[in-house]
Amino acid sequence: QSALTQPASVSGSPGQSITISCTGTSSDVGGYNYVSWYQQHPGKAPKLIIYDVTSRPSGVSNRFSGSKSGNTASLTISGLQAEDEADYYCSSYTRIITLVFGGGTKLTVL
Amino acid sequence: EVQLVQSGAEVKKSGESLKISCKGSGYSFTSYWVGWVRQMPGKGLEWMGIIYPGDSDTRYSPSFQGQVTISADTSIATAYLQWSNLRASDTAMYYCARQTTTVGSFDFWGQGTMVTVSS
Repeated sequence: QSALTQPASVSGSPGQSITISCTGTSSDVGGYNYVSWYQQHPGKAPKLIIYDVTSRPSGVSNRFSGSKSGNTASLTISGLQAEDEADYYCSSYTRIITLVFGGGTKLTVL
Repeated sequence: EVQLVQSGAEVKKSGESLKISCKGSGYSFTSYWVGWVRQMPGKGLEWMGIIYPGDSDTRYSPSFQGQVTISADTSIATAYLQWSNLRASDTAMYYCARQTTTVGSFDFWGQGTMVTVSS
């Protein structure tokens, strides 16, 4: 089971919006509405920011939003802030091995 | 307050065994799946496996099946990840995390346990 495909890096200026894609197959992303997104700052544990494709846990800013079309899920961050600079990982349930992560995307706030 | 507290950093040699722990508190430990995630230095997250402490149902990623053992002791609300024959390639940060009520998302994470294996 290969990791889900994410761009290695994205960047944006404060106040802008960016989107990170997460591409899988019909056996994972496309087959289930169980896509999650995590934010990880250097030296810290990951933090859940989106689950079930579009849902936000309590306390997570509404600047973070998720969506899905076919085999590709997306995370959009609006109104970029310096504190958003981090690594972002998607994950998806997959019947074959239960869970698979994306390779991760480094977000740079210019 | 939900917390997962992991055991401290370990430095081992190739061929040695190791068992690291993850103690849950602030919630019903037997009612939520607990997963383990590996992060090698400078690399991404890899899902290793998961256990339901309530009945010890355990699932492994094919990449880690046979390489590690996941277990839990409900009497002390603790999950474990163990190796019987460490390799230098096991050097990584290991996180435990609680799965939410929805499949495949982890809402609370341990602080991580760094395992360093020298050859």
